[in-house]
Amino acid sequence: DQQVKQNSPSLSVQEGRISILNCDYTNSMFDYFLWYKKYPAEGPTFLISISSIKDKNEDGRFTVFLNKSAKHLSLHIVPSQPGDSAVYFCVAITGGGNKLTFGTGTQLKVEL
Amino acid sequence: EAGVAQSPRYKIIEKRQSVAFWCNPISGHATLYWYQQILGQGPKLLIQFQNNGVVDDSQLPKDRFSAERLKGVDSTLKIQPAKLEDSAVYLCASSLGLAGGEQDTQYFGPGTRLTVL
Repeated sequence: DQQVKQNSPSLSVQEGRISILNCDYTNSMFDYFLWYKKYPAEGPTFLISISSIKDKNEDGRFTVFLNKSAKHLSLHIVPSQPGDSAVYFCVAITGGGNKLTFGTGTQLKVEL
Repeated sequence: EAGVAQSPRYKIIEKRQSVAFWCNPISGHATLYWYQQILGQGPKLLIQFQNNGVVDDSQLPKDRFSAERLKGVDSTLKIQPAKLEDSAVYLCASSLGLAGGEQDTQYFGPGTRLTVL
């Protein structure tokens, strides 16, 4: 049972344009969400997070949007840069704990 | 500051053999996690330690997997005997172990890629 879903396994965007990565979840008990980025042969690294009491969180070029009623979140990267090419994991946490539930990941490729 | 260290980086074994992975967390991190990432999937938590005690091992296949963190620092994960479906990347992560609603960011090591033939 995949509780966190990333339905796009890959996404290709031109440098300078916006990248939008989507994520859906099914468990209403999730109340904190994160995005992790992973380069080949490295472990995932934390990128940005959002609490369920907010609908937007921004950090530089990265913005995460949360729509609780739709159980949907998205990560916007603008402008996209070649160094952003990586696998992005949508991650959810339940009720103040620290058990991470990962999605399957989206491979982003930013082309020159 | 040094990150999470793992060894070996790659391991190839035959089914029914045993294998062990080692993890050294970031200094001062009380919480240590082992994840299994099968190809095409996201990482799945196997076991979580707080200092040298187990907090959550509900997803650990205890008939063949074992893990320990004897002195509350380094940890080893063992598989005995290995099955074909154990082929995966095994990731170790650590965090400060914050509570009370603070975000307890997990920092991951590079992983060990296990191939079972």
